[in-house]
Amino acid sequence: EDQVTQSPEALRLQEGESSSLNCSYTVSGLRGLFWYRQDPGKGPEFLFTLYSAGEEKEKERLKATLTKKESFLHITAPKPEDSATYLCAVQAAEYGNKLVFGAGTILRVKS
Amino acid sequence: NAGVMQNPRHLVRRRGQEARLRCSPMKGHSHVYWYRQLPEEGLKFMVYLQKENIIDESGMPKERFSAEFPKEGPSILRIQQVVRGDSAAYFCASSPSTGLSGELFFGEGSRLTVL
Repeated sequence: EDQVTQSPEALRLQEGESSSLNCSYTVSGLRGLFWYRQDPGKGPEFLFTLYSAGEEKEKERLKATLTKKESFLHITAPKPEDSATYLCAVQAAEYGNKLVFGAGTILRVKS
Repeated sequence: NAGVMQNPRHLVRRRGQEARLRCSPMKGHSHVYWYRQLPEEGLKFMVYLQKENIIDESGMPKERFSAEFPKEGPSILRIQQVVRGDSAAYFCASSPSTGLSGELFFGEGSRLTVL
């Protein structure tokens, strides 16, 4: 059973069309939820850490929020350069230090 | 101010050969993680190492795979007698401490193709 599920698998947006990506998790003892961005042929790049329900973090056109069972990555007025795969990961007491990643959402923003 | 360095970036092996992937963490980082990414799948944890110690190898296949992080030099992920199913991108990440912040710094990966 997947502990971290991301949806949708792929998302196509027009430039300026705001939307949200979802990450749901079923772990117990959550220590933190993390968002990463991955460009084709590159390694993941850290974006945000969220530790507790109700917490929000923002960076440019991205805003990440956290509830007890899921996280959303909101993208406001996206640009083509926001096109990438967005990965969600959790760190939980049952897993020790390692991060457990979801399969990712592939975002394409067309101009 | 180099980031995490992985080499080779691309490696082609025939079935039964050995593959060695190297990872030099960021300067000052003493914790290294290896992840594997199969096409259309997410990153799967393999092993977590500190200098001269394997801390968590719960994601490593029981056979053919080994990892080390010696006192001097890069971390090495070794795959013996490779099979086609080993074809994947292997990513190394490092952190300055225990990584409890979840902020891992990833390399650009080593892409292994097994013919």
